[in-house]
This record gives sequence, C-alpha cells and structure tokens, in this order.
Amino acid sequence: GAVVSQHPSWVICKSGTSVKIECRSLDFQATTMFWYRQFPKKSLMLMATSNEGSKATYEQGVEKDKFLINHASLTLSTLTVTSAHPEDSSFYICSVISGSYEQFFGPGTRLTVL
Amino acid sequence: LAKTTQPISMDSYEGQEVNITCSHNNIATNDYITWYQQFPSQGPRFIIQGYKTKVTNEVASLFIPADRKSSTLSLPRVSLSDTAVYYCLVVRTGGGNKLTFGTGTQLKVEL
Repeated sequence: GAVVSQHPSWVICKSGTSVKIECRSLDFQATTMFWYRQFPKKSLMLMATSNEGSKATYEQGVEKDKFLINHASLTLSTLTVTSAHPEDSSFYICSVISGSYEQFFGPGTRLTVL
Repeated sequence: LAKTTQPISMDSYEGQEVNITCSHNNIATNDYITWYQQFPSQGPRFIIQGYKTKVTNEVASLFIPADRKSSTLSLPRVSLSDTAVYYCLVVRTGGGNKLTFGTGTQLKVEL
C-alpha cells in the first residue's frame, strides 16, 4: 500500500501565528489527498479534499480562509492553519487514495496552540 | 451516505475471538463496507473491505448478510496489541471516495 508521511509530527505555537503541515505520498502519485481533524476521544472529521493542480474542496463548516490547502505536486499537499487559536489544537491527519477505494493515512500531526 | 451504528466499547481477553457488529440500514447498492483500526495518536489503518457475503484476509474476516444492512468484523485470537478503536464505514463508489467516520468501537483486550 501507499506510504504517507506527515511533517511535523507535533508542533506547539503561539496564538495568532500560522502553522504549516506537510503531507507526502512517498511511493504513490496522489491526485487526491484528504485532510481530517480529530479532537481527543472523538472520531475523525473530514475537513477538505485536496486536488492536485486545482482548488481544494472544503466540507461544510470548515473555513477555507483559515485552513489553507495547497496541492502543488502529486506527492505533496500542505495544510496551513492561519492565525491559530487554542480551539484549533487538534490532531490533523491526511490520507491518499490508492487505485482501489482504500485510503492510506499519514501518522498525524499534533497541533497545540498556546 | 448510510449512517453506521456500532457499540461504543467492547472488552475481551487474549486468545479470544472478537466480533464487532455494525449496522448500516440505509446502505445503497453502490456502497462498500470498510473497516479501519486506529491506535492512539496514529492515523487509521485499513483492515478489510467487502460488498457482500464473506471476505477474509490475514488479519480479519468480514461477514455481510444478504440484505447488507449490517456487517460483522471478526478478529480471531486477539492479543493485547489489538486494543484500538475500530471504525466501520460505508463508502460510496463514485462518491469522491470520501470517508465518514462514525464513533467507532473501543476494543480493550486484557490478559
């Protein structure tokens, strides 16, 4: 299956700053990547679908100007949390789709906003 | 997409077989059933996927009755390392491959 990495694995930032999270598909060219958010003891929530070479598609209730997604290549998608606030503290996970319907998930990035 | 319902938690002991049942009453003809496993602070990992009847791989079996309104994930001879959250998902073909995660089942395996 596809191998997906995320960087950083964890990050702590001050309120008001922006944080960029990278998602890389190491052995598979992914035209589509997904970004999820997971709060403690909660399920994953799909935030947006990242499409290579085009704009991301955001789920209802997710602010596109706050969560900037860039999918500039077939192996890299980035999520930038702009003007982060403590309520943005969460576990952010990306995934890629293989040739079948199976999704391969990254290890996640723990964001803590002070 | 069909909503899924599964038990919030289950307890088991090492060496036992664990069956986690998920209901998806409104499943559509072009929907697949997929199960994922998630350990704390890690991304989910694909376990198994099926459309009907029975599917088996090296880690689990998936039983789907003829009406497809439910499915059962069977984990043979669980060990402590199987303690995790297990998610049952209904995936629609041609639906953009979006996954909608439900609450999941927290499986706790003890000695």
